[in-house]
Amino acid sequence: EIVLTQSPGTLSLSPGERATLSCRASQSVSSSYLAWYQQKPGQAPRLLIYGASSRATGIPDRFSGSGSGTDFTLTISRLEPEDFAVYYCQQYGSSPPVTFGQGTKLEIK
Amino acid sequence: EVQLVESGGGLVQPGRSLRLSCTASGFTFGDYAMSWVRQAPGKGLEWVGFIRSKAYGGTTEYAASVKGRFTISRDDSKSIAYLQMNSLKTEDTAVYYCTREVLLPGLFDYWGQGTLVTVSS
Repeated sequence: EIVLTQSPGTLSLSPGERATLSCRASQSVSSSYLAWYQQKPGQAPRLLIYGASSRATGIPDRFSGSGSGTDFTLTISRLEPEDFAVYYCQQYGSSPPVTFGQGTKLEIK
Repeated sequence: EVQLVESGGGLVQPGRSLRLSCTASGFTFGDYAMSWVRQAPGKGLEWVGFIRSKAYGGTTEYAASVKGRFTISRDDSKSIAYLQMNSLKTEDTAVYYCTREVLLPGLFDYWGQGTLVTVSS
């Protein structure tokens, strides 16, 4: 089973700043099958990024993903007030199980 | 518009059973694999299992934590996916989300609003 470790656990930033979230895998993620989800309180998660760097439908271009192998990054170029949420990375596409990281909480400073 | 609506959650005693339903609309349900993902209170996301479309055999896969206790099934004529949960444990307490898979197993493009299952005596 691939274990995903996200850092930092909590990130405190102000609107307009740049956010960089990290996701490290315990072994190489095949074909960069790495996704990022955003979850706001009381809501279901929303798919942001898949294939490590492809934005899902309707996702603003201030969200970008990068990385390969075992190290992946989600970058939010200029934080908007609605971006403060919890972010999860996830690996998929391989033989089960699907695994998620433990999450990074992005909070307003 | 794609919609997934879960139902069937509630309070149940340890050792008992519960069946969740996920009613889908806005897409051709039979063409897609469906998954269940859960989230314990204040915790992260945990994949529970999925069921492939009939075109891929309609087979199922489960997380080790629920294998042998939980069963996923589907009724394509009604656009409903089910999660049958037996021998429930207190650690199964969570919000259970129904999700639609896209492109590859485990990639979830649509999620329901979730239904809370509380296992307690």
